Amino acid sequence: RKEVEQDPGPFNVPEGATVAFNCTYSNSASQSFFWYRQDCRKEPKLLMSVYSSGNEDGRFTAQLNRASQYISLLIRDSKLSDSATYLCVVTYSGNTPLVFGKGTRLSVIA
Amino acid sequence: GAVVSQHPSWVICKSGTSVKIECRSLDFQATTMFWYRQFPKQSLMLMATSNEGSKATYEQGVEKDKFLINHASLTLSTLTVTSAHPEDSSFYICSAWPRGQPQHFGDGTRLSIL
Repeated sequence: RKEVEQDPGPFNVPEGATVAFNCTYSNSASQSFFWYRQDCRKEPKLLMSVYSSGNEDGRFTAQLNRASQYISLLIRDSKLSDSATYLCVVTYSGNTPLVFGKGTRLSVIA
Repeated sequence: GAVVSQHPSWVICKSGTSVKIECRSLDFQATTMFWYRQFPKQSLMLMATSNEGSKATYEQGVEKDKFLINHASLTLSTLTVTSAHPEDSSFYICSAWPRGQPQHFGDGTRLSIL
């Protein structure tokens, strides 16, 4: 079983739509959780950290369920510029490497 | 904010060539840097952990004699792909973790071996 699993998509949605991505992780010792965004042929960029209480940043809302080892990302009012691959990422503690999911591809269509 | 610089961004070379990729932390010291590799439509996979002043730690399945890592200073780690072959063509990316901040990535190096 992969450490971090995501639905690969693609998700093709119209502008203005709300879209949700899910992610599960296998290692219960995971301590930190993130969503990264990766554009084609570019490095991943941090979108947001994910906290146990859930957190929101503008149109983006992230949720974490430690009991179920499940992470989600909700994007409201999708923009064309949201088209990218969204990577679910976990790490264990301190200065440890990130473990990436395969990513979920989103295409927002005009 | 902290920046990680990676060079070169794109390499095309013949099979059998050795290619060196540099990863620098520009405004912080990094005792540890990470090297990842991403094949098309795959996730980023950790190749190795680069430790300043000591040997790198390689992930299972990564040949340490093929992917030489040197971390001779607190701001520079290098990855050398020795005798590269077409199957080594990939996107290589380094990262470092400034204290108190999220991990920062370099821009990545796209390696194409002909």
